[in-house]
Amino acid sequence: GNSVTQMEGPVTLSEEAFLTINCTYTATGYPSLFWYVQYPGEGLQLLLKATKADDKGSNKGFEATYRKETTSFHLEKGSVQVSDSAVYFCALGWNTGNQFYFGTGTSLTVIP
Amino acid sequence: EAGVTQFPSHSVIEKGQTVTLRCDPISGHDNLYWYRRVMGKEIKFLLHFVKESKQDESGMPNNRFLAERTGGTYSTLKVQPAELEDSGVYFCASSREGNNSPLHFGNGTRLTVT
Repeated sequence: GNSVTQMEGPVTLSEEAFLTINCTYTATGYPSLFWYVQYPGEGLQLLLKATKADDKGSNKGFEATYRKETTSFHLEKGSVQVSDSAVYFCALGWNTGNQFYFGTGTSLTVIP
Repeated sequence: EAGVTQFPSHSVIEKGQTVTLRCDPISGHDNLYWYRRVMGKEIKFLLHFVKESKQDESGMPNNRFLAERTGGTYSTLKVQPAELEDSGVYFCASSREGNNSPLHFGNGTRLTVT
């Protein structure tokens, strides 16, 4: 079956700390991988994506590399800001059908 | 362009009552999806409309849930009668026709059944 496992939170970091949120997946075939972010009071927003193995998605200083050999898509940022406080969801999906599988979400709080 | 809007943002009802959630997708988006996040768990797919037709409703938990999209515009999701385990956040998303179209999510409706 298809599933996504991401590290449990909550995660609390000081400003400018390094962030890693782990995500691994199980899938039949070769899905695209995504990170979505939900800021307080808002809907889910696409943060970044990668569509094939070894692709790196990046946006707003966040990066994640599609690792087929380890079935992983870990999210990283070198220096977090208070404004990065949000819930982060790892997801996989296909180009046809658009059916997505999400992880449980990881809550991040960045303190000044 | 206006984003995906959902109404209400919060709903608190008693077990056994009925609740109807509404989603207005982005204008011109043929694909409309409902998802649900039960507290602390993953966001799960409920169903997918293409215009007014149900393309995939494999994620609907049981027959207490009824989704409609009359005219292929807005969609409603009715829960009748509501049970305690229905509590969670219900997200709606829409996308244009075709592959590789990104999903645009609404802010969600937080449903609490007491």
